[in-house]
Amino acid sequence: DTAVSQTPKYLVTQMGNDKSIKCEQNLGHDTMYWYKQDSKKFLKIMFSYNNKELIINETVPNRFSPKSPDKAHLNLHINSLELGDSAVYFCASSQPGGLEQYFGPGTRLTVT
Amino acid sequence: SQKIEQNSEALNIQEGKTATLTCNYTNYSPAYLQWYRQDPGRGPVFLLLIRENEKEKRKERLKVTFDTTLKQSLFHITASQPADSATYLCALDYMEYGNKLVFGAGTILRVKS
Repeated sequence: DTAVSQTPKYLVTQMGNDKSIKCEQNLGHDTMYWYKQDSKKFLKIMFSYNNKELIINETVPNRFSPKSPDKAHLNLHINSLELGDSAVYFCASSQPGGLEQYFGPGTRLTVT
Repeated sequence: SQKIEQNSEALNIQEGKTATLTCNYTNYSPAYLQWYRQDPGRGPVFLLLIRENEKEKRKERLKVTFDTTLKQSLFHITASQPADSATYLCALDYMEYGNKLVFGAGTILRVKS
């Protein structure tokens, strides 16, 4: 049983396109996150939702829009993709309080 | 802003030895600190959490210390094995809002047999 799953695993697309990454967790957690890991391996938080409510919104271009249809899902939609968006995107979940986060396998986005 | 520093160079050790990884931080007093393991092509996996009022935490071959005066955490793996080879990430909470975790860049550990 996969605790936190993401689709797709790999995403190759051209500049200017719009794409979405989906995330689902079956751990019963209330809080979900999106992280970006760049080529230098820094893992930086982008967004956090608690029970479908946005609670963390880092300095992320507004081309990135998270959507949480229910507390088990947090999707990431990216408009007008740019070369600099190329990275690995991780979804994670936890109980409220941020303790012990469970990460998905990541989505490697390559923008050409 | 908070700054987290981990050993920038890879740590190479011989199987059976104790690996010690360092996490230093500045400009913040975290309520707790976490360590994660990340293998290539995979997401980070939670290992241990230590709170500000705890000096030391153990789990099997793992030990974490937390010195809030020195603003440092040490992560030890005793009797290291080649399977312990991975990148180890230190993360601090940032509770001004939303319980955000701030991660260090990680230290690559290579255990040679």
